[in-house]
Amino acid sequence: GQSLEQPSEVTAVEGAIVQINCTYQTSGFYGLSWYQQHDGGAPTFLSYNALDGLEETGRFSSFLSRSDSYGYLLLQELQMKDSASYFCAVRDNTGGFKTIFGAGTRLFVKA
Amino acid sequence: GVTQSPTHLIKTRGQQVTLRCSSQSGHNTVSWYQQALGQGPQFIFQYYREEENGRGNFPPRFSGLQFPNDSSELNVNALELDDSALYLCASSFGTDNNEQFFGPGTRLTVL
Repeated sequence: GQSLEQPSEVTAVEGAIVQINCTYQTSGFYGLSWYQQHDGGAPTFLSYNALDGLEETGRFSSFLSRSDSYGYLLLQELQMKDSASYFCAVRDNTGGFKTIFGAGTRLFVKA
Repeated sequence: GVTQSPTHLIKTRGQQVTLRCSSQSGHNTVSWYQQALGQGPQFIFQYYREEENGRGNFPPRFSGLQFPNDSSELNVNALELDDSALYLCASSFGTDNNEQFFGPGTRLTVL
């Protein structure tokens, strides 16, 4: 089966850097994505890694190590508006196309 | 963008419900998710060019349709109390759907 693990909560101060880790277990791994969801809102796509290494998009970066089944999302220069839930999601093509989401990490940014 | 209707819906146990989604123009893939409060989205199924090509661990009473005009439906028969959740559709181009665009969701309450 497939499973993802990520911390349930992370707290950081405005202007700081925070890293949200994700470990996954899946048989047909095809890529790791990250989504942000504010309370009452829809998930919005942040980044995607298919290959090992770092992908940078503005203040957000995402890293993948396929050999370790591990990835992380790095948020720099934290702002209050970054307070939200962050989900890692793996693409699995075993027996059809699936996208499996983690339970989410709640990020609290304090002033 | 992606739109969904209705926004909220209240049904009673045993009833049937149809939820609708209009994908982003040009997208040929739609996925449906169930999200319980405080949890990550759970993959229900994916449709590509009007054919289901991926399914999560949901019983057959969850079914779907995708139409040529960028619209799709999620049908749930014999509603159970545990079906109460936010139902999200997400559209993308191609079956890899690494970047999915989510609609605002339909909040279903089963009494």
